[in-house]
Amino acid sequence: KAGVTQTPRYLIKTRGQQVTLSCSPISGHRSVSWYQQTPGQGLQFLFEYFSETQRNKGNFPGRFSGRQFSNSRSEMNVSTLELGDSALYLCASSLSGDQPQHFGDGTRLSIL
Amino acid sequence: AQSVTQPDIHITVSEGASLELRCNYSYGATPYLFWYVQSPGQGLQLLLKYFSGDTLVQGIKGFEAEFKRSQSSFNLRKPSVHWSDAAEYFCAVGVNNAGNMLTFGGGTRLMVKP
Repeated sequence: KAGVTQTPRYLIKTRGQQVTLSCSPISGHRSVSWYQQTPGQGLQFLFEYFSETQRNKGNFPGRFSGRQFSNSRSEMNVSTLELGDSALYLCASSLSGDQPQHFGDGTRLSIL
Repeated sequence: AQSVTQPDIHITVSEGASLELRCNYSYGATPYLFWYVQSPGQGLQLLLKYFSGDTLVQGIKGFEAEFKRSQSSFNLRKPSVHWSDAAEYFCAVGVNNAGNMLTFGGGTRLMVKP
């Protein structure tokens, strides 16, 4: 069974640009969550989608957004990139809210 | 809001020695509890989880953890560490009926001496 797939693995952008990251969950998983990992702030929850609806949202500015498609694949978008957005962005999927999450290997975003 | 504390940022143990990584959480009810491991350049791998029932939980790679409600702790243990266990370990708490929204501790980096 294939795991959670995130693309691309690495991305370099400049300040002010926008970026879209993609996540394909494990087959059959309907919940997809996104996390940001930085050396200073650690792992922080961004948002969760379940059946194409945002179910939970973390404490991030509106520049961070996401969506989920009918096949459960998810994308997150960051607009007007700032240097502080440099991070490893992790996607996780699970069957439902009371099942453990399985993580992808992440997309490492670097802002120049 | 819930929070998780991992008091030890770095731990070094000798190969073959026992290991205990500490995790304390703050939450008003019984949470879901998890331990994840992260190797460099990789995502998080689930080691074990506690949802309810037996407070001693067995996981993969020979790890176990014990939920102690009175101490708000969920410490991770392994009787004999292998060099391949060197990685960063994260404790996380989730809330019942709140979907998937994990709060992570700051992590403990484990180094293994030969």
